[in-house]
Amino acid sequence: QKEVEQDPGPLSVPEGAIVSLNCTYSNSAFQYFMWYRQYSRKGPELLMYTYSSGNKEDGRFTAQVDKSSKYISLFIRDSQPSDSATYLCAIQGSSNTGKLIFGQGTTLQVKP
Amino acid sequence: DTAVSQTPKYLVTQMGNDKSIKCEQNLGHDTMYWYKQDSKKFLKIMFSYNNKELIINETVPNRFSPKSPDKAHLNLHINSLELGDSAVYFCASSQGGSGGAPDTQYFGPGTRLTVL
Repeated sequence: QKEVEQDPGPLSVPEGAIVSLNCTYSNSAFQYFMWYRQYSRKGPELLMYTYSSGNKEDGRFTAQVDKSSKYISLFIRDSQPSDSATYLCAIQGSSNTGKLIFGQGTTLQVKP
Repeated sequence: DTAVSQTPKYLVTQMGNDKSIKCEQNLGHDTMYWYKQDSKKFLKIMFSYNNKELIINETVPNRFSPKSPDKAHLNLHINSLELGDSAVYFCASSQGGSGGAPDTQYFGPGTRLTVL
């Protein structure tokens, strides 16, 4: 079993739709939960992170962590064509340094 | 003023050859990484150096050898290239987390390696 599981998609939605991206993880010791966004032919860049359980909102993006079920989510409201990218969840251990464990990434296309 | 840069961007080579990829960061970070992203977009850490010292060495064939001449540079040398080495290789750097913030890693643009 992989440490982090993510449905690779692809996911195609119309502009303005609400998008839900999800990951599950196996190790309850993880403390930091991140979402990276990767545009085609570019390197990943950090979109947002959550520490421990709870929600975090940043504009149209909301990150959610449920540690009891080991489930993390990213919601995108009012999705735009510019949101078309691959979204990778990433987990980091309690030391908040070093090794990131990534999910496989979900490729999202938002159609105008 | 690119933060993390890699050269070359594309590398096409024959099986059995030896090749190197270079990485430089101008962010003043102490830690640098190499990741491999396969054709299914799965991104996996290979190595990490902190201030020129190897701190993460995942299960990677010993044909792969990282070298850090100084904390701003981390190169990756690959001997006897195989078809399965074809992938995108990303360099990243970070400064370490603090307080409630994680260790944010900044990625380079990637090197697309194709082994024929």
